[in-house]
Amino acid sequence: AQKITQTQPGMFVQEKEAVTLDCTYDTSDPSYGLFWYKQPSSGEMIFLIYQGSYDQQNATEGRYSLNFQKARKSANLVISASQLGDSAMYFCAFPVFGNEKLTFGTGTRLTIIP
Amino acid sequence: DAGITQSPRHKVTETGTPVTLRCHQTENHRYMYWYRQDPGHGLRLIHYSYGVKDTDKGEVSDGYSVSRSKTEDFLLTLESATSSQTSVYFCAIKKPGGGETQYFGPGTRLLVL
Repeated sequence: AQKITQTQPGMFVQEKEAVTLDCTYDTSDPSYGLFWYKQPSSGEMIFLIYQGSYDQQNATEGRYSLNFQKARKSANLVISASQLGDSAMYFCAFPVFGNEKLTFGTGTRLTIIP
Repeated sequence: DAGITQSPRHKVTETGTPVTLRCHQTENHRYMYWYRQDPGHGLRLIHYSYGVKDTDKGEVSDGYSVSRSKTEDFLLTLESATSSQTSVYFCAIKKPGGGETQYFGPGTRLLVL
């Protein structure tokens, strides 16, 4: 069964620094992908970025990029030039059963310090 | 805006009473999902639907049932609410396209006393 792990329960980062949030997965599927979501203190779940395992280049969406390292089975979220509004919970999610369902990590709480 | 609404947004109920949460979408997507979120567990799938009257269980389905009689509505029922079902409930839809991303509704906070 697929398993997804976020090992950093909390992180504190100085404003304007880059942040890397870790996510590792375990799968035997030859084709898969990985999602990242943000949950601010207001509670909504916001989709940030997705990358498929066969994509040649790491996905980027504005200040977010996905550092996909298949040999290490990791798909880390990188936030460049962090801002106070980046303070939130961040979840990675792994598709299972042909992307019919998602399994979520337990999340990382990121706090940006002014 | 993913066009998903959830009702009610907040509810307090008593142990043993039935509770129904509603998820409504405006875009007629085939897949809809119900998750619960609890501290330390991330989001866990309760049930999902892949079409009208087509549903399947997730990892934490005990004590919950669902129904989908119209494409736009997906109902989650707690048959006899227990304090362990106090949680935040999220509905999601899956949009076709790259990654087939799930988009979430605003959530419902449920407190079972």
